[in-house]
Amino acid sequence: AQSVAQPEDQVNVAEGNPLTVKCTYSVSGNPYLFWYVQYPNRGLQFLLKYITGDNLVKGSYGFEAEFNKSQTSFHLKKPSALVSDSALYFCAVRDLSAGNMLTFGGGTRLMVKP
Amino acid sequence: DAGVIQSPRHEVTEMGQEVTLRCKPISGHDYLFWYRQTMMRGLELLIYFNNNVPIDDSGMPEDRFSAKMPNASFSTLKIQPSEPRDSAVYFCASRETGGYTEAFFGQGTRLTVV
Repeated sequence: AQSVAQPEDQVNVAEGNPLTVKCTYSVSGNPYLFWYVQYPNRGLQFLLKYITGDNLVKGSYGFEAEFNKSQTSFHLKKPSALVSDSALYFCAVRDLSAGNMLTFGGGTRLMVKP
Repeated sequence: DAGVIQSPRHEVTEMGQEVTLRCKPISGHDYLFWYRQTMMRGLELLIYFNNNVPIDDSGMPEDRFSAKMPNASFSTLKIQPSEPRDSAVYFCASRETGGYTEAFFGQGTRLTVV
């Protein structure tokens, strides 16, 4: 079975500082990994994905994520946080050998303070 | 494309009443997913369809829940009878064929059962 863990319920960072939101996964085959962001009273918006190739993936709004196979991690990063980045972030994994379902982590609330 | 469209955005109903949530996926997408989001359980996959056929409904909590997709551009999630513990935000998402494709989410229906 596939699973995703986001070990931090909340991450606090000052505006202008780098941010990291952690994600680890467990799959039996090759993972397809995704990050989504959810603003208040909105649906989830796709940020970026890792399918294959370069381990560093760049996405929307200046976010990037690094795939680390040995550590089974896919941490979300941004060099300089903005107050407007404050939102709920979800990591998700799809293992094709386990079907077409996308399994989400529990979410991490990012709070960027001025 | 206008994205995934859900209606209504908000629904307040009394316990025991029937509730129907509606979803119009993005044109050309052949996968459709229904998720439920609560504070306690996070994002849960309820059911998904491929080419209008239900593939996995193992996430549907009870027989009170049912979902249909009569054609490629419309799906419903019905709860009958509704209970207060069904109160949640229900999301519909769709995507194209291909394990590497990302899902696009609607803005959700906030259901309150009193």
